[in-house]
Amino acid sequence: KQEVTQIPAALSVPEGENLVLNCSFTDSAIYNLQWFRQDPGKGLTSLLLIQSSQREQTSGRLNASLDKSSGRSTLYIAASQPGDSATYLCAVLANDMRFGAGTRLTVKP
Amino acid sequence: GAVVSQHPSWVICKSGTSVKIECRSLDFQATTMFWYRQFPKQSLMLMATSNEGSKATYEQGVEKDKFLINHASLTLSTLTVTSAHPEDSSFYICSVHPTSGLPYEQYFGPGTRLTVT
Repeated sequence: KQEVTQIPAALSVPEGENLVLNCSFTDSAIYNLQWFRQDPGKGLTSLLLIQSSQREQTSGRLNASLDKSSGRSTLYIAASQPGDSATYLCAVLANDMRFGAGTRLTVKP
Repeated sequence: GAVVSQHPSWVICKSGTSVKIECRSLDFQATTMFWYRQFPKQSLMLMATSNEGSKATYEQGVEKDKFLINHASLTLSTLTVTSAHPEDSSFYICSVHPTSGLPYEQYFGPGTRLTVT
């Protein structure tokens, strides 16, 4: 059974810092991996989708990498801003979609 | 882009009552819809897979008689929480797989926050 783990569970950084969120999964037989953002009480916003054949995807200040063989993905956020404060979830799709518990990010002005 | 709506966005109900949550795909047809539940500080958990015109497939540990799913059309799935209890208070999110979409395509609704008092 696929298990998805995100480290750290919470992270607080000053504005302007670059940061990395980590996601690991136990079964490398996946179709893709997605990173989502969730604001308190709100639904999910898809940030980046990496296909199993890809190594990374970039969108603006966000860069996500995928190392399927080692079961790891990272989400890199450059020049963090207070508006980036949210919970970030990674999810892997195989037979179904499995989510990590998320990393709660706080960016302080 | 694809748009998925949920109604209501939040609801407060008394213990013992039933609550219906709707999930609609607004600009495409969806044979398959998924229902998730998220408790505070926990992962999103798949509850059931809803297929149009057939019975839903429930994940282990999810009571099908308590969480009734009806996928009567290609654009609408409903989740009814029957005889709700305070422990059912949670954030319920649906996602939709377009009938003509790629295998991995899913679009998420904005979620419904249920509070049972």
